[in-house]
This record gives sequence, structure tokens and C-alpha cells, in this order.
Amino acid sequence: NAGVTQTPKFRVLKTGQSMTLLCAQDMNHEYMYWYRQDPGMGLRLIHYSVGEGTTAKGEVPDGYNVSRLKKQNFLLGLESAAPSQTSVYFCASRLGRDTDTQYFGPGTRLTVL
Amino acid sequence: GDSVTQMEGPVTLSEEAFLTINCTYTATGYPSLFWYVQYPGEGLQLLLKATKADDKGSNKGFEATYRKETTSFHLEKGSVQVSDSAVYFCALSFTQGGSEKLVFGKGMKLTVNP
Repeated sequence: NAGVTQTPKFRVLKTGQSMTLLCAQDMNHEYMYWYRQDPGMGLRLIHYSVGEGTTAKGEVPDGYNVSRLKKQNFLLGLESAAPSQTSVYFCASRLGRDTDTQYFGPGTRLTVL
Repeated sequence: GDSVTQMEGPVTLSEEAFLTINCTYTATGYPSLFWYVQYPGEGLQLLLKATKADDKGSNKGFEATYRKETTSFHLEKGSVQVSDSAVYFCALSFTQGGSEKLVFGKGMKLTVNP
């Protein structure tokens, strides 16, 4: 049982490039989340999903897209990266509606030059 | 909207010192409250939680009590260890658009020296 895993761990992009971050969970959780963590800002919710095939916007969704084609995977896409998207990205999952604990992945450190 | 305010630090303590990290919240309903911990190079882990007023969450020697009258959820530990060095986040859950989400404080970095 690996829990929540994220790929890649580190990435450096140039402005305007695109990339996809992958989050996978093997706990059969319904809900999944993408956050970004910036110094002095805590964690801010980008997008989330309450089940396979569903996605919704969080607090800071601009510049990002997501997809949840399979229950175990939640992908975060950057179509045209900007330096303001330099951050550490965390994925989290939660069993379902009647639970409140989120389980976090180890994070992806992204730098946009 | 719902929000959390916590001590930001950084804080440096000696081993066996007493720790308090203040956290207050603003919420329209009755949220669940959480403390998450992030060890160096890792993701966040749930440390403890409380789901209703006067509940006390506890884990690994840490405690926090849900105080509705003061809208607080302060984290305490009587004797910290070097291994407690980490960033601590207070959080609350709220419901928006039919889905429950977490809102986090800014985090407080704790360093414990031997």
C-alpha cells in the first residue's frame, strides 16, 4: 500500500512550456485534491475531484487544468507555465463524504524560469 | 469566508521545552479542526483532529482542545524532542458547493535543538 504518490519529484520548466503532474492513490479514495504551497502562504487549493470523471475549481485555479479519468489518478496540467507557478505542489486524497482526513503525497517541486 | 490564523514563527526551542502554537479560526458553521505536520522533505500528515466543541485531539504527546467560546485550537506539547522539528499547520474543514474542503493556516516552522 503506497498511499499517495506523485510524479515527478522535481521539474524545471521554461516560461511557456507545458507539463502534467501525476497523482496516484491506491486506497480507493473518492476525493482527490491538488494544492500549491508557497512560502508564507500555507497551502492553497487549486482543483479537486469528488469522484471519477468529476472536477471542480478551488481557490487558485487559473492557469491549471485537471482530469480524473480513472478513480486512482488525478492529473494536474500546466498549459503554458509562468514564473508565478513556481511552487511545491501537493496532491491529497480522502476516502469519501463521511470522512474528513486527507492523506498527502510527498510533493512536486516545480521551478519555472 | 472561513479562515484560520496561526502563529507563524519560526520558533526555536531546546529539547524538553514546553510548546504552544496558537490557532484561532473564523467559521460560519461548526467546522472540524485539524493540526497537520510536515517533516522536512515530506508531505503533510495528520497529527490530530477534533470534530466538535470541547473535544480534545491527541497524538504523539501533542494535544489540542476545540474551544468554541474562544474559537481556538491551540497545539501543546509538554516536552518537545529534536524529532518534533517540522512545520505545523492548523486547518479547518468547511463545506462549499456541496463538497467539504480544508483551509490551512500559513504554517509555523519549529526547530528543536538538543
